[in-house]
Amino acid sequence: TQLLEQSPQFLSIQEGENLTVYCNSSSVFSSLQWYRQEPGEGPVLLVTVVTGGEVKKLKRLTFQFGDARKDSSLHITAAQPGDTGLYLCAGARSGAGSYQLTFGKGTKLSVIP
Amino acid sequence: DSGVTQTPKHLITATGQRVTLRCSPRSGDLSVYWYQQSLDQGLQFLIQYYNGEERAKGNILERFSAQQFPDLHSELNLSSLELGDSALYFCASNRQGNYGYTFGSGTRLTVV
Repeated sequence: TQLLEQSPQFLSIQEGENLTVYCNSSSVFSSLQWYRQEPGEGPVLLVTVVTGGEVKKLKRLTFQFGDARKDSSLHITAAQPGDTGLYLCAGARSGAGSYQLTFGKGTKLSVIP
Repeated sequence: DSGVTQTPKHLITATGQRVTLRCSPRSGDLSVYWYQQSLDQGLQFLIQYYNGEERAKGNILERFSAQQFPDLHSELNLSSLELGDSALYFCASNRQGNYGYTFGSGTRLTVV
């Protein structure tokens, strides 16, 4: 059972366009993280959101955590070829000293120059 | 360089064999996590160690085992390998109370 559903799975856009990718779950998470992964490399943390309704901005990237802490979105303004990669959301559950992350399958973004 | 070191980067082995993957966490990080990434399943959590002790288990097969040593490096042992075990294996580390993971660049295992 995939606890985190990401959509769309694939996205191909022209440089300069805006886009939004989504991460949805029926479960509540104590926090949610977004990572970007490039081919042959491990995922790199972009942001952590903790509070329901929280919005964080990282240059042209805007991350939002749903009020109920079950979903999140990532919006990219004026996409650039350097934004190309696999975007992964990950929900954290904590308990008994464990901060285990559950990952979605990712959105593969391709930005065409 | 993320600070998490994984070796080897690539591994090709035959079915039925046993391999060991190694991970050195970022300096100061006490937790090590192992994940398996395949095209159809995405990143699947295998196991977590914290300061030498097992803390959480995910979808780890009985043929797989791991440990974390006193110097905090970790090893993932995969035995009786099957074709379906071919995947990328990632190690990640973090500090207690910090949710963000730092991933290594992974080991690509190919079972032939």
